[in-house]
Amino acid sequence: EIVLTQSPVTLSLSPGERATLSCRASQSVSTYVTWYQQKPGQAPRVLIYDASNRATGIPARFSGSGSGTDFTLTINSLQPEDFAVYYCQQRINWPLTFGGGTKVEIK
Amino acid sequence: QVQLVQSGAEVKKPGASVKVSCKASGYTLTGYYMHWVRQAPGQGLEWMGWIDPNSGATNYAHNFQGRVTMTRDTSIITAYMELSRLRTDDTAMYFCARDDNSAASGHDSWGQGTLVTVSS
Repeated sequence: EIVLTQSPVTLSLSPGERATLSCRASQSVSTYVTWYQQKPGQAPRVLIYDASNRATGIPARFSGSGSGTDFTLTINSLQPEDFAVYYCQQRINWPLTFGGGTKVEIK
Repeated sequence: QVQLVQSGAEVKKPGASVKVSCKASGYTLTGYYMHWVRQAPGQGLEWMGWIDPNSGATNYAHNFQGRVTMTRDTSIITAYMELSRLRTDDTAMYFCARDDNSAASGHDSWGQGTLVTVSS
């Protein structure tokens, strides 16, 4: 199965700063990476699909890039509601797999 | 709007089985696959598998094969996930999630989660 490694595990930033989250796959997944955001006590929600496409209703400060094995989620000008855990998921092969997550916390 | 409503929390003993339901509304159940994802306390997301509500076809993650059964009842627009031979490390929040199974897509709607606690 394809292993996704997310880094860093924790990112401590202040509101207004830019967050850069990484997701690395153990083999090429083309562009078939989806990013999710999860807040405490809630189900995850889709932010980005196919590496760079924002899901419906997702603000433009969220952007995704990458292909092959290296992917990045960027959050420009962090808002208070953006402090959460972010997961990447590969969708090229079964079983679908998730990365271990990156927690974006308030510095 | 699309809504997935799951059954309530369960407490089970090791070796028992649990069956979690997921009732869909706001869309045609048979138009999408239903996936199940679990999350142990304080841990990350783990994909369990999916069911095609149209045909009943399933695809399970290797970790759960032999212990998980996903079914559906289209008459009441509900999907089910049953996990047998429960162990204490099966304690987790279990989510259902709608998906079109396209590689360039994602789990676009989620249930609220069902907490399953396995304890003697």
